Amino acid sequence: DVKVTQSSRYLVKRTGEKVFLECVQDMDHENMFWYRQDPGLGLRLIYFSYDVKMKEKGDIPEGYSVSREKKERFSLILESASTNQTSMYLCASSRGVIFNEKLFFGSGTQLSVL
Amino acid sequence: DQQVKQNSPSLSVQEGRISILNCDYTNSMFDYFLWYKKYPAEGPTFLISISSIKDKNEDGRFTVFLNKSAKHLSLHIVPSQPGDSAVYFCAASVNNDMRFGAGTRLTVKP
Repeated sequence: DVKVTQSSRYLVKRTGEKVFLECVQDMDHENMFWYRQDPGLGLRLIYFSYDVKMKEKGDIPEGYSVSREKKERFSLILESASTNQTSMYLCASSRGVIFNEKLFFGSGTQLSVL
Repeated sequence: DQQVKQNSPSLSVQEGRISILNCDYTNSMFDYFLWYKKYPAEGPTFLISISSIKDKNEDGRFTVFLNKSAKHLSLHIVPSQPGDSAVYFCAASVNNDMRFGAGTRLTVKP
């Protein structure tokens, strides 16, 4: 089975801090994604990547950046955390180059920015 | 703008009965639709999908129906079991664009 591992289950940070969320997948998937989940809004795509060193903006990239230096690892960076970035962050991966492929999700990181 | 809408935030059904979860979308270009299930403290897991060239797909107790003219899809669970209690997300996709609904919390009572 595919395993997508997110480094932290819960994270508490202060406003203005730089925050790194790490995600690793073990099935050699080409595609990796970062979503945030907020009540009443579902899952919204922040960034995605089709290959190493490639990245594409999703619906809500403002205030975030990403890094994909290795195929298995996709990092989400909050350059200067703000309270409106308090949310559940979900990493996902999928095989192939077709976006319609089903996604495999990690367990999520609940980030609180105080 | 939410292109995929799940208008019922919650649904409660009795064990053994049918659960029907609904989803509407606005973008007629979507050509692939998926349902995911999410338990607390876990990430969403893929449940079932359907291509726009079909109007029904069945997998055991789970059936997804697609009505393209109405831009509506539904997930039927028959019979419902207490272990089906979870949040269900529908998703719609075309090429590089996958959109999710807000989710419906299903509770199956013993």
